[in-house]
Amino acid sequence: EADIYQTPRYLVIGTGKKITLECSQTMGHDKMYWYQQDPGMELHLIHYSYGVNSTEKGDLSSESTVSRIRTEHFPLTLESARPSHTSQYLCASSELGTSGIDEQFFGPGTRLTVL
Amino acid sequence: TQLLEQSPQFLSIQEGENLTVYCNSSSVFSSLQWYRQEPGEGPVLLVTVVTGGEVKKLKRLTFQFGDARKDSSLHITAAQPGDTGLYLCAGARGNQGGKLIFGQGTELSVKP
Repeated sequence: EADIYQTPRYLVIGTGKKITLECSQTMGHDKMYWYQQDPGMELHLIHYSYGVNSTEKGDLSSESTVSRIRTEHFPLTLESARPSHTSQYLCASSELGTSGIDEQFFGPGTRLTVL
Repeated sequence: TQLLEQSPQFLSIQEGENLTVYCNSSSVFSSLQWYRQEPGEGPVLLVTVVTGGEVKKLKRLTFQFGDARKDSSLHITAAQPGDTGLYLCAGARGNQGGKLIFGQGTELSVKP
């Protein structure tokens, strides 16, 4: 069982609110990722981090921001939520597997609904 | 443009049937992974394949990486209701430092 946690699991908020989605892992992984997933669609990488104080934007443009002040913590913030931000947000961390390829461990996700 | 195309997108079968899910691309990947995701949870890694033509078995699941490393397949023998879920393929390209490109998934429902 992967030790990666996300809170809250579900969040319903009004337009214009500032929100922070929490993600923590206890595995000591340097690499962490945020994905956005809509029903029937692939996971889109929106942010990644290779270690403390390292963050990069992913392939899918996102108005969210992230920070990586501690290895175990990788929160995602939306300054002003809009209905278009409604989605499932998945956090992951990775380590090199026996195949020599990074293997990703996912949290349970946060289902965000913006009214 | 979808880099990794999965087919079929939806599959509903009876317990005991066999099935194959395909993951295709026009691009070459250095490795390919298959994940399974249950409702309300994050994906869980099933297998990683790295060599063209590689075949890996995980109980009733057989994974194959195409010779040209552009495609992969997942075959399930004698499907069970516990196999129900969303199956995602994900490819890594070159030295991307762990970043993956995901297919859109195959939603499998196995009815008892």
